[in-house]
Amino acid sequence: AAGVIQSPRHLIKEKRETATLKCYPIPRHDTVYWYQQGPGQDPQFLISFYEKMQSDKGSIPDRFSAQQFSDYHSELNMSSLELGDSALYFCASSLLLRPRLTGKDEKLFFGSGTQLSVL
Amino acid sequence: GIQVEQSPPDLILQEGANSTLRCNFSDSVNNLQWFHQNPWGQLINLFYIPSGTKQNGRLSATTVATERYSLLYISSSQTTDSGVYFCAVERWAGNTPLVFGKGTRLSVIA
Repeated sequence: AAGVIQSPRHLIKEKRETATLKCYPIPRHDTVYWYQQGPGQDPQFLISFYEKMQSDKGSIPDRFSAQQFSDYHSELNMSSLELGDSALYFCASSLLLRPRLTGKDEKLFFGSGTQLSVL
Repeated sequence: GIQVEQSPPDLILQEGANSTLRCNFSDSVNNLQWFHQNPWGQLINLFYIPSGTKQNGRLSATTVATERYSLLYISSSQTTDSGVYFCAVERWAGNTPLVFGKGTRLSVIA
């Protein structure tokens, strides 16, 4: 079965540089989430999109932005990178609306993550 | 926001032993999921279980929504069960993303 695809798998950047992370959700999933996980920490929600519209926003710095495109893939853009941005960035997708109406399983599926290191 | 507490924070088991991991949450939820993060960092969805009991092989989970807790049972543990187990919940009111607990770090030794 198709899974959530993230690229790149690893990324090394210098301070003040920019980075773009990409996410391809599971086909037919209508919701994409971005999470940030620091070393030894739990995943923290950044931002989500439902049907290509931003649906919720968490602790995402103003230096970060994200969007979801017509083909449902999403990109997380990070500018003016800081050392503290070093983390594992996860994208996840789910099928949100219909299961809420029918009571079906609505698991959240995560990609393998992008390990960002800012030097 | 909603609070999610997991216990124990760390657990070391001999291979073959059984264990119970607990997740307490501070508000009514309409979504609760258990995840396993393996040593390579991958997050695997184990259960979607806002209420009731489910079983999948050696793993089972029970959520008592009225008492605001969920339990994950691991039987006959194997070294491949090692990693961090996260409970994540979504509040009943509103379309909000999952909030994760701090996790239980499990080490299974041969």
